[in-house]
Amino acid sequence: DAGVIQSPRHEVTEMGQEVTLRCKPISGHNSLFWYRQTMMRGLELLIYFNNNVPIDDSGMPEDRFSAKMPNASFSTLKIQPSEPRDSAVYFCASSYGQGEYSNQPQHFGDGTRLSIL
Amino acid sequence: AQSVAQPEDQVNVAEGNPLTVKCTYSVSGNPYLFWYVQYPNRGLQFLLKYITGDNLVKGSYGFEAEFNKSQTSFHLKKPSALVSDSALYFCAVSPLGSASKIIFGSGTRLSIRP
Repeated sequence: DAGVIQSPRHEVTEMGQEVTLRCKPISGHNSLFWYRQTMMRGLELLIYFNNNVPIDDSGMPEDRFSAKMPNASFSTLKIQPSEPRDSAVYFCASSYGQGEYSNQPQHFGDGTRLSIL
Repeated sequence: AQSVAQPEDQVNVAEGNPLTVKCTYSVSGNPYLFWYVQYPNRGLQFLLKYITGDNLVKGSYGFEAEFNKSQTSFHLKKPSALVSDSALYFCAVSPLGSASKIIFGSGTRLSIRP
């Protein structure tokens, strides 16, 4: 089991540029989550998908952020345009959820450390 | 509102001593409860979970957690701490009907001194 794979591991870019973060969930998992972690705000859930459908995007900070899951094995989180305050570690996680119940743990990737200059 | 509280930002313990990391929750119904650990530059890793049954749950790396319904607590424990246990620990709750969503606490940094 390769685990959740995120790319890139590090990204440094200038303010105003478009940033795309990528995630490959564990095969067979049907739920996918995007989190952001900062010292100030801790771990925040941005959006999550169930069976490739966005279920809750209430944590997405603003319209500059968008996420897609075109198929069960791939998801992207895009920031356009990026701002210095978007600097954080972004995590993707996946799990198997059945209906409205989930007693299965989430499996996290090792994150993308994003720095916006 | 559904929430998870970790009242201590940091816990310091000497190696070989028992450790406790506290967690309380506020959700409706009977939740599923989890503990995760995060090492530097890594994602969160699952340690253990409580679903139903025995209130004492055993997990990875010698950790265990005790579910107390009356106190709405789920404290993480280990009888003898190791320096390698030093990390950031997160308590989490998955309320029934949440469709896979988990609510994480703010995290507790555990520091084990030699």
